[in-house]
Amino acid sequence: QQQVKQSPQSLIVQKGGISIINCAYENTAFDYFPWYQQFPGKGPALLIAIRPDVSEKKEGRFTISFNKSAKQFSLHIMDSQPGDSATYFCAAKNNNNDMRFGAGTRLTVKP
Amino acid sequence: DGGITQSPKYLFRKEGQNVTLSCEQNLNHDAMYWYRQDPGQGLRLIYYSQIVNDFQKGDIAEGYSVSREKKESFPLTVTSAQKNPTAFYLCASAGPGTQPQHFGDGTRLSIL
Repeated sequence: QQQVKQSPQSLIVQKGGISIINCAYENTAFDYFPWYQQFPGKGPALLIAIRPDVSEKKEGRFTISFNKSAKQFSLHIMDSQPGDSATYFCAAKNNNNDMRFGAGTRLTVKP
Repeated sequence: DGGITQSPKYLFRKEGQNVTLSCEQNLNHDAMYWYRQDPGQGLRLIYYSQIVNDFQKGDIAEGYSVSREKKESFPLTVTSAQKNPTAFYLCASAGPGTQPQHFGDGTRLSIL
């Protein structure tokens, strides 16, 4: 049973465009929502994270939008660059250190 | 530099053989995790440990075993009972509460 559903599975965006990845969760006990970026042959690295008491968090070109009532959150990458090409995972964590991951989105940014 | 070190980077297993993957962290984290990553399936939790000398099964623990004798170390053994061990294995650690998990760079296990 997948507790965090992520879409799309793959995404192709032109350089300079906006990349949008969506996630939905079921367990209302989750109270921390990180996004991870993974390059081939490497472990996932924390990109940006949000807590449910805010609706948006922005760090540079990366923004998380969070809708608590809908139990959905999304990652927006503005001005996407070829170097952003990677696999992105959303996740949800509760305060018992139980973290669940989405299935991942493979992003390709074309020059 | 603080971080998580996984070794080896590549590992090959013969039929009927047990192999052990190493994970060491110097982040002073209590919680450590092992995940398996297969293409298109995200990260699946194998085992986790919240504290030394204690560990819990995750979603896909069958065919795997772990130990947590030291805070810094959380080795994973892939036993011969794991019939489909070919995957990318990731170790992670986390601080208390809603702290993010930090990952190592993984071990890729293949069958000879």
